[in-house]
Amino acid sequence: GENVEQHPSTLSVQEGDSAVIKCTYSDSASNYFPWYKQELGKRPQLIIDIRSNVGEKKDQRIAVTLNKTAKHFSLHITETQPEDSAVYFCAAFSGNTGKLIFGQGTTLQVKP
Amino acid sequence: EAQVTQNPRYLITVTGKKLTVTCSQNMNHEYMSWYRQDPGLGLRQIYYSMNVEVTDKGDVPEGYKVSRKEKRNFPLILESPSPNQTSLYFCATQGGFYNEQFFGPGTRLTVL
Repeated sequence: GENVEQHPSTLSVQEGDSAVIKCTYSDSASNYFPWYKQELGKRPQLIIDIRSNVGEKKDQRIAVTLNKTAKHFSLHITETQPEDSAVYFCAAFSGNTGKLIFGQGTTLQVKP
Repeated sequence: EAQVTQNPRYLITVTGKKLTVTCSQNMNHEYMSWYRQDPGLGLRQIYYSMNVEVTDKGDVPEGYKVSRKEKRNFPLILESPSPNQTSLYFCATQGGFYNEQFFGPGTRLTVL
């Protein structure tokens, strides 16, 4: 079945450094790729998303890149801050099936 | 205020005792989903519904039932809960295929 692989599972960086999280999906029909941030004890919230007809999208310190040929997309966070510490989930949505498949999550720790 | 509500928020029950977790949204969204979240496995879709009276299986539907008799409500039913259904459950709603999913606050279920 369809799946999304996310790496790394944990990531620790110093404040001010960059963080990169990578995901690979299997369903060729996937055409929408959101990223969610989940703080401890809270619900996931969307931070950025990208559609399949776009290769890159940026929102302040956050950017997402998509390589449809390789079925690969990544989240880039620059100038990390302690409040960026959370679990981040990538996901792939198939317009054919209506399914949204999430990656396993990456726990990001930003050290002051 | 736009919101997704779930009840109960916490539930401890015993094996085999039928239970229902309710989900309600006031955003007039057609798409609703149920997920379970387990450590190391991310968010896994249980069932989803693209409209009233339309429901489809996600990745882990075994042991669960849903119904969508009206747009705003999407209850999750466990006919005969088992300990392996101990998990954190999230309901989510989405305004369209390529739009943000809004998650409810979560229901932590323990089956003894």
